Amino acid sequence: AQSVTQLDSHVSVSEGTPVLLRCNYSSSYSPSLFWYVQHPNKGLQLLLKYTSAATLVKGINGFEAEFKKSETSFHLTKPSAHMSDAAEYFCVVSSTGYSSASKIIFGSGTRLSIRP
Amino acid sequence: SQTIHQWPATLVQPVGSPLSLECTVEGTSNPNLYWYRQAAGRGLQLLFYSVGIGQISSEVPQNLSASRPQDRQFILSSKKLLLSDSGFYLCAWTLGGAALGIQYFGAGTRLSVL
Repeated sequence: AQSVTQLDSHVSVSEGTPVLLRCNYSSSYSPSLFWYVQHPNKGLQLLLKYTSAATLVKGINGFEAEFKKSETSFHLTKPSAHMSDAAEYFCVVSSTGYSSASKIIFGSGTRLSIRP
Repeated sequence: SQTIHQWPATLVQPVGSPLSLECTVEGTSNPNLYWYRQAAGRGLQLLFYSVGIGQISSEVPQNLSASRPQDRQFILSSKKLLLSDSGFYLCAWTLGGAALGIQYFGAGTRLSVL
């Protein structure tokens, strides 16, 4: 069975400070992991993905995430927050090699707020 | 390049009225198609997915139905809307196999049932 847990429903940081959004997963198979960003009243946009290559994944807008199998984590980070980063972020786990869409699981989301 | 269109962007409907939301994809063939609902302050709930024309799988029992009359068209419907159907509906597509999981989303439809 697969599941994904985003540990914080809301994170608030000051502009220019580091961002950490936490995600833990469980999967019976080798997972693919993703982070998506959603700005208000918009669809979701892929930030980055991990598919069993390098464990440190770089994405768009300066974000990166590190896959840690021993900790079953895939935390999203950014060295310096920008006001435009304020959005909802979703961690997603899926099992590659399966055609069933039911194997794609979304976390409940973390709302990131940026203080001036 | 591939694009996904979803409409309408906003919809206000009375309880008991019918619903039809449409989603179309351009620039790809035989995509997997999805309908999600996002309630306020919550994550995405997968409602339906389709791996081909006429093939619909439902993830949760509900007041809604989906159809895929053409390869790149996915329709979400209801005969009689309930208050609980309010939410933000998102259509998405993906390719199968190794690319599974990379989903491309439409802009969403904000549905308010009054």
